[in-house]
Amino acid sequence: NAGVTQTPKFRILKIGQSMTLQCTQDMNHNYMYWYRQDPGMGLKLIYYSVGAGITDKGEVPNGYNVSRSTTEDFPLRLELAAPSQTSVYFCASSLFSLTGGNTGELFFGEGSRLTVL
Amino acid sequence: TQLLEQSPQFLSIQEGENLTVYCNSSSVFSSLQWYRQEPGEGPVLLVTVVTGGEVKKLKRLTFQFGDARKDSSLHITAAQPGDTGLYLCAGAPIQGAQKLVFGQGTRLTINP
Repeated sequence: NAGVTQTPKFRILKIGQSMTLQCTQDMNHNYMYWYRQDPGMGLKLIYYSVGAGITDKGEVPNGYNVSRSTTEDFPLRLELAAPSQTSVYFCASSLFSLTGGNTGELFFGEGSRLTVL
Repeated sequence: TQLLEQSPQFLSIQEGENLTVYCNSSSVFSSLQWYRQEPGEGPVLLVTVVTGGEVKKLKRLTFQFGDARKDSSLHITAAQPGDTGLYLCAGAPIQGAQKLVFGQGTRLTINP
């Protein structure tokens, strides 16, 4: 069972370049998330989705875009890369519910380390 | 924006010692989760606490949710080198519970 798969694992971008971080999950989870993790700063929510066709902003959405055309895929787009976007990006999914014995657990990918020079 | 403050941010102790990590907020959360993260990997859930005053045990790890659901603690008894890692608490806000708020993490090192 693959769980949450992110690609690429590492990427170096020049200022102003664009790229897409790919995320796919095979657990049929309804919720998907993108977080960024900076040293000593924990995880900050960029965007999330509660189902196909529905996305919403998190705490730090500026400079990013997302789409959710299928349950499985939730790509994150950086349009004009800036040094401030140097970070480790984590995609996560969840079968969100705190009823029926579910824990609301987030399942994370292994992360994508992005450097903008 | 709701904030979760973890303390300490860094902790290095000897094998066999006990330790407690704290996760505090001025806001009330509907639930609180603890994750552990290894280098180069994503966080992995350890526990979810939902009820104020709830205590859950996972082998040598004891998790407690504060009575007012504003804080939580993680206590490790007889720490082992395998406990080394980054521990993150994450709270589910009352409004918008799907948007977890993460603390900044506690980096724990257990020395043999």
